[in-house]
Amino acid sequence: QLQLQESGPGLVKPSETLSLTCTVSGGSITSSSFYWGWIRQAPGKGLEWIGNSGSRYYSGSTYYNPSLKSRVTISVDTSKNHFSLELRSVTAADTAVYHCASAVDYYDSSGYPNWYFDLWGRGTLVTVSS
Amino acid sequence: DIQLTQSPSFLSASVGDRVTITCRASQGISSYLAWYQQKPGKAPKLLIYAASTLQSGVPPRFSGSGSGTDFTLTISSLQPEDFATYYCQQLNSYPPTFGPGTKVDIK
Repeated sequence: QLQLQESGPGLVKPSETLSLTCTVSGGSITSSSFYWGWIRQAPGKGLEWIGNSGSRYYSGSTYYNPSLKSRVTISVDTSKNHFSLELRSVTAADTAVYHCASAVDYYDSSGYPNWYFDLWGRGTLVTVSS
Repeated sequence: DIQLTQSPSFLSASVGDRVTITCRASQGISSYLAWYQQKPGKAPKLLIYAASTLQSGVPPRFSGSGSGTDFTLTISSLQPEDFATYYCQQLNSYPPTFGPGTKVDIK
């Protein structure tokens, strides 16, 4: 059974780069059945989608939230069976619990493709502070 | 971006109660809506996708309905393990967005 586990520093200084890894176990990150995403939740706030990587629906492209696009990179390391998040030039507003997730595509009753997050990691708190 | 609102924000209910949570989208999203359950310190868990399709392994007391802008999540008979926060998510267009959540607490 697929499992996801986030890891990385819990404290990052303002203006520096937040780097997190999501280790995939119980399955291969190269599986055509899944692709990968990141979501965050700031304290007392709602869930915010960060980006997805590798959707067949979008020809394997990586898509980012426009509000973060200039600062974020999601990459997949097949040799280590993990995928990563980089968020540059962080501020206190980036303090949040960061979740990784696996996504799957499906076709609706009309034959149109769509997707959903089928499995999430527990999340890791990253605090931005000097 | 498509905005999602959920009501109520908080509800207090007893074991065995029928519970209904509403999610409303700022514009039509067809049936491209998912529901997740989250307990404190745990990973969110997918309950329903495509507005009404029950994820494998999720108890049938959970059901979803709706299309367009108005959706509901119903728990037919609330169980002790169902006390949690529930989020809807629209997947009609990028960026995918989430509702603010509905916390279901014990009465």
